[in-house]
Amino acid sequence: AQSVTQLDSQVPVFEEAPVELRCNYSSSVSVYLFWYVQYPNQGLQLLLKYLSGSTLVESINGFEAEFNKSQTSFHLRKPSVHISDTAEYFCAVSEYDNAGNMLTFGGGTRLMVKP
Amino acid sequence: DAGVIQSPRHEVTEMGQEVTLRCKPISGHDYLFWYRQTMMRGLELLIYFNNNVPIDDSGMPEDRFSAKMPNASFSTLKIQPSEPRDSAVYFCASRGVYTGELFFGEGSRLTVL
Repeated sequence: AQSVTQLDSQVPVFEEAPVELRCNYSSSVSVYLFWYVQYPNQGLQLLLKYLSGSTLVESINGFEAEFNKSQTSFHLRKPSVHISDTAEYFCAVSEYDNAGNMLTFGGGTRLMVKP
Repeated sequence: DAGVIQSPRHEVTEMGQEVTLRCKPISGHDYLFWYRQTMMRGLELLIYFNNNVPIDDSGMPEDRFSAKMPNASFSTLKIQPSEPRDSAVYFCASRGVYTGELFFGEGSRLTVL
């Protein structure tokens, strides 16, 4: 069975500083990996995903994540954060052989960007 | 497309009352999911449907919870009777051909007094 661990429940950071949100997963088979973002009082929305190909994936707003198979990690990074990046971020995984391609979500990391 | 539409956005009710939450998935999507989000438990999958058929309801907390999908464009999640511990934000999500992306509604915030 797949599982996802987000090591940090909260990450405070100053505006324009770099940030890394950590995600590790556990699975016995190959996986697809995702980061979702939830802004206050909204539902989750896809930020970026790794399905195949290049292990480095990017979002349109400057976030990137790298799939590291040996470390079973998919950490999310941004070189310079903005106040508007304040949100909760969820890492998720689904397994190749999962008939429903069900997503398993991590517990979330609350990114708090301070001026 | 308007996205996944949920109603009501907010519901405040008293313990013992019946609560019905509604969801309209994105047209053409054949998977529909109900999630519950709380501070204590995070995001929990309650049940999901494929082509209107419930596939896995193992996340439904107890018999007080039920979900239906009478057609491809509508689903309900019902709690009867409601209890204060049911207070949470309930999300509906849908997806179609697998691209990895779930589309979430804005959620229904339930408060049971």
